[in-house]
Amino acid sequence: KQEVTQIPAALSVPEGENLVLNCSFTDSAIYNLQWFRQDPGKGLTSLLLIQSSQREQTSGRLNASLDKSSGRSTLYIAASQPGDSATYLCAVRGQGAQKLVFGQGTRLTINP
Amino acid sequence: DVKVTQSSRYLVKRTGEKVFLECVQDMDHENMFWYRQDPGLGLRLIYFSYDVKMKEKGDIPEGYSVSREKKERFSLILESASTNQTSMYLCASSLSSGGSYGYEQYFGPGTRLTVT
Repeated sequence: KQEVTQIPAALSVPEGENLVLNCSFTDSAIYNLQWFRQDPGKGLTSLLLIQSSQREQTSGRLNASLDKSSGRSTLYIAASQPGDSATYLCAVRGQGAQKLVFGQGTRLTINP
Repeated sequence: DVKVTQSSRYLVKRTGEKVFLECVQDMDHENMFWYRQDPGLGLRLIYFSYDVKMKEKGDIPEGYSVSREKKERFSLILESASTNQTSMYLCASSLSSGGSYGYEQYFGPGTRLTVT
């Protein structure tokens, strides 16, 4: 059974820092991995989708990498801003499945 | 832009009531999903549908049913609401994945359901 872990559960950094969020998964037989952002009391916003054949994806200040063989993904946020404060979730889609398996998320706070 | 809408942001119901949560997507997606999100438990899949009138149970289907009569609309039904169904309910949709290629899931804003 696929399990997805995100460490740390919470992270607080000063504005302007570059930071890395981690995601690990137990079964490397995945089709893709998706990173989401969730603001308090709101739905999920898709940030990046990495296919299993890709190593990384970039969108603006965000860069996500995937190492399928080691079961790890990272989300790199450059030049963090207070508006980046949110919970970040990663989710994987296993081979032959349509559903996503989610991690518990990392709650990120950027201090002005 | 993909738009997934949910009928209510907040809902308060009494124990034993029948509750309908509605979800509509406007991008002709084949797949639609219902999740619930609880502190400490994360997001868990209740049901998903891969076509009109087609459905599959997720990880926690007990106490719920679903209906998909039209491609754009997916309803979650709590036949007899109980207090342990108080939660945030999130609907999502995606194109159907072909082979090893997967598409993004897009989420609605969520419905915060309280059962008293």
